[in-house]
Amino acid sequence: KAGVTQTPRYLIKTRGQQVTLSCSPISGHRSVSWYQQTPGQGLQFLFEYFSETQRNKGNFPGRFSGRQFSNSRSEMNVSTLELGDSALYLCASSLDGRNPYNEQFFGPGTRLTVL
Amino acid sequence: GENVEQHPSTLSVQEGDSAVIKCTYSDSASNYFPWYKQELGKGPQLIIDIRSNVGEKKDQRIAVTLNKTAKHFSLHITETQPEDSAVYFCAAKGENTGFQKLVFGTGTRLLVSP
Repeated sequence: KAGVTQTPRYLIKTRGQQVTLSCSPISGHRSVSWYQQTPGQGLQFLFEYFSETQRNKGNFPGRFSGRQFSNSRSEMNVSTLELGDSALYLCASSLDGRNPYNEQFFGPGTRLTVL
Repeated sequence: GENVEQHPSTLSVQEGDSAVIKCTYSDSASNYFPWYKQELGKGPQLIIDIRSNVGEKKDQRIAVTLNKTAKHFSLHITETQPEDSAVYFCAAKGENTGFQKLVFGTGTRLLVSP
């Protein structure tokens, strides 16, 4: 079974630009969550999508947004990039999102560098 | 909201020794506690998890214990090997974190020397 895939793996952008990251969950998984990982803040929850609906959102500014498609694939978008947005962005998928004991499986991440 | 503390931040052991990483959580409503291993350049990999109705779970050289009263849980790795070297994260999830949101500890860098 293929794991969680994320594209692209690496991105370099300049301040003020916008970026879109993509995540394909494990086949059959309907919940997708996004996390930001930085050396200073660690792993921080961005948002979670289930059945094309955002169910939960972390403490990030409105520049961070996302969506989920009917095939469960998800994208996240960051507008007006700032230097502090440089991070590893991780996507995690889980089966149905309702069971509190659902395992979450992470993709390899997208490394975003903002210059 | 939920807060997870993790100790130590770094841990160096000799091959064959045991390693223990400890985490505490703040929200008594949390009921699911996974552990992840992250190697350089990769995403976190789930290695073991425990539910709040279980006190201990073991999988070969890895075990996790949970003390609900004290609100802490620990990862135990026995007979460590160089390939165990990585960063380990504990996490917590429950009704108050919301759906699938995981709250992570700050990570422990484990170095196993041959």
